[in-house]
Amino acid sequence: IAGITQAPTSQILAAGRRMTLRCTQDMRHNAMYWYRQDLGLGLRLIHYSNTAGTTGKGEVPDGYSVSRANTDDFPLTLASAVPSQTSVYFCASSDSTSKGSDEQFFGPGTRLTVL
Amino acid sequence: GQNIDQPTEMTATEGAIVQINCTYQTSGFNGLFWYQQHAGEAPTFLSYNVLDGLEEKGRFSSFLSRSKGYSYLLLKELQMKDSASYLCAVLDSNYQLIWGAGTKLIIKP
Repeated sequence: IAGITQAPTSQILAAGRRMTLRCTQDMRHNAMYWYRQDLGLGLRLIHYSNTAGTTGKGEVPDGYSVSRANTDDFPLTLASAVPSQTSVYFCASSDSTSKGSDEQFFGPGTRLTVL
Repeated sequence: GQNIDQPTEMTATEGAIVQINCTYQTSGFNGLFWYQQHAGEAPTFLSYNVLDGLEEKGRFSSFLSRSKGYSYLLLKELQMKDSASYLCAVLDSNYQLIWGAGTKLIIKP
């Protein structure tokens, strides 16, 4: 693989179900991010990780959890899905968080519908 | 609060020039990014500005004025493939990206 992959590509989920969105990068980037993108709104940061073993909360963390057991993987879990979590979810990575010029590379996204 | 404003939609003609503006109010500033996002795809990096002035990269240029909290993306010699959304994002004092809602650019032949 090259870059960032996400799985699944799309998913329809019943409210109340637990769901994990997977994200893997092969660029050995230190930092990883989860965003949601909703129509008419900018990308909103859910959680981030500056390096393996650490995570932090973004702008809209409620209802979501993450883990960073190693450099490559950064799964996002919805413990009990609600319809307001219907969105397109993007995972991203960057080489560092302390150097401003480092661009973020995005995965192809997961389209999630919660009914 | 933090705020980034850009027009919702713009229309331009193939071969012409278009300027997409972005104004921002953020807690701190560590640079401004422009990304391109085609419908149904992921955002891809276009440019980064941290100092005032114009950065040129082929048909695309990006300008920054930190004192005015203002940036623009200039696209020259427009092609149909430039039809996309253009996202402005500011790196705040915590090195987190704050994103605008994006400008949908429609190119007409």
